Amino acid sequence: AQTVTQSQPEMSVQEAETVTLSCTYDTSESNYYLFWYKQPPSRQMILVIRQEAYKQQNATENRFSVNFQKAAKSFSLKISDSQLGDTAMYFCAFMKRLQGAQKLVFGQGTRLTINP
Amino acid sequence: DAGVTQSPTHLIKTRGQQVTLRCSPKSGHDTVSWYQQALGQGPQFIFQYYEEEERQRGNFPDRFSGHQFPNYSSELNVNALLLGDSALYLCASSKPRGGLKETQYFGPGTRLLVL
Repeated sequence: AQTVTQSQPEMSVQEAETVTLSCTYDTSESNYYLFWYKQPPSRQMILVIRQEAYKQQNATENRFSVNFQKAAKSFSLKISDSQLGDTAMYFCAFMKRLQGAQKLVFGQGTRLTINP
Repeated sequence: DAGVTQSPTHLIKTRGQQVTLRCSPKSGHDTVSWYQQALGQGPQFIFQYYEEEERQRGNFPDRFSGHQFPNYSSELNVNALLLGDSALYLCASSKPRGGLKETQYFGPGTRLLVL
């Protein structure tokens, strides 16, 4: 079974600092996609970044980057120059193929607070 | 370009009642997935629809059913509501038959409270 584990229930940093959120996953598939989603108090789940497993290069989106270690099944998210608006729940997710359909398997989430 | 929309935003029901939640996908998307997010948890996959058919179902009882219309919008129906059905229900849409590489984009969700 595919599982996604986020070992940090909560994190808190000062504005402008860099923070890294951890995620590990378990799968027997060779090709897959990984995602980080952000869910602010408004509840809307917003895509932050995605990584294709067959690509060795780590994905980057502005202040957000990932450290993808395929052999270790690790997919951490680094937020540089953190801003107050980054305060949210962050979910790591694995895209699983299901006989012609696709579903996201989510971790439990990490609550990130950026302090002024 | 409108994103994924859901209605209503909030709903209060009592045990045993039935509820219908609605979702309109992002423009250009034809695949709709539904997720249930209990408080403090990550979302759990309920089912996915495209071409007006349920393609896959997660570990949810038959009380949960759905429908997709020709315009790709979708409904989630829950019968015989239980207290444990209280959750945020999220709809996500993705591009046509894109497979694994297609990102799912989420709506704002419907908060259901069962009393």
